[in-house]
Amino acid sequence: NAGVTQTPKFQVLKTGQSMTLQCAQDMNHEYMSWYRQDPGMGLRLIHYSVGAGITDQGEVPNGYNVSRSTTEDFPLRLLSAAPSQTSVYFCASSYGGQGASEQYFGPGTRLTVT
Amino acid sequence: AQSVTQLGSHVSVSEGALVLLRCNYSSSVPPYLFWYVQYPNQGLQLLLKYTSAATLVKGINGFEAEFKKSETSFHLTKPSAHMSDAAEYFCAVSEYRGYQKVTFGIGTKLQVIP
Repeated sequence: NAGVTQTPKFQVLKTGQSMTLQCAQDMNHEYMSWYRQDPGMGLRLIHYSVGAGITDQGEVPNGYNVSRSTTEDFPLRLLSAAPSQTSVYFCASSYGGQGASEQYFGPGTRLTVT
Repeated sequence: AQSVTQLGSHVSVSEGALVLLRCNYSSSVPPYLFWYVQYPNQGLQLLLKYTSAATLVKGINGFEAEFKKSETSFHLTKPSAHMSDAAEYFCAVSEYRGYQKVTFGIGTKLQVIP
């Protein structure tokens, strides 16, 4: 199993550009989520999905869109990049979204917006 | 609302010394608690988790944590630090509210001095 994969690993954008961060998992997990990691702030939830076709907002959703057309894929779209979105982005998945489920994380995408 | 407090954003220990990383939580329901580790330029991986089966939880790489309800704490310990333990450690609390709501602490960077 590849687990959770993310592409690209690094990306530099100019302010106002848009892009999609890709996330895929091969563990047949129902629950997937996107986090951003910033120094001194831990991980903050952007969006999550409890299954194909179902998504919802997390703690910091502004400026991001998601969709979940398949169980495997959960892309994150930046609509119009801003310097405040410079961060490291992690995708995670877990079995059923129950409170005790362990989350499996991808290797991250390091995004810089100039 | 749930929250996690990690005391000490940076901790330094000598190789062979005791590792103690502190985590306090608040939760309105019985919580599930996790410790994750992040090695440089990698995603997070599970060290151990508490799901109410036992208050002393053993994890990978010799780490363990004790759930103390009266103190709302879930501190992480390891009797003897190795150089390979240098990483960032995140405590997380999880509740099930129709979906898995996970809140992470800000992280503690562990430095191991030879």
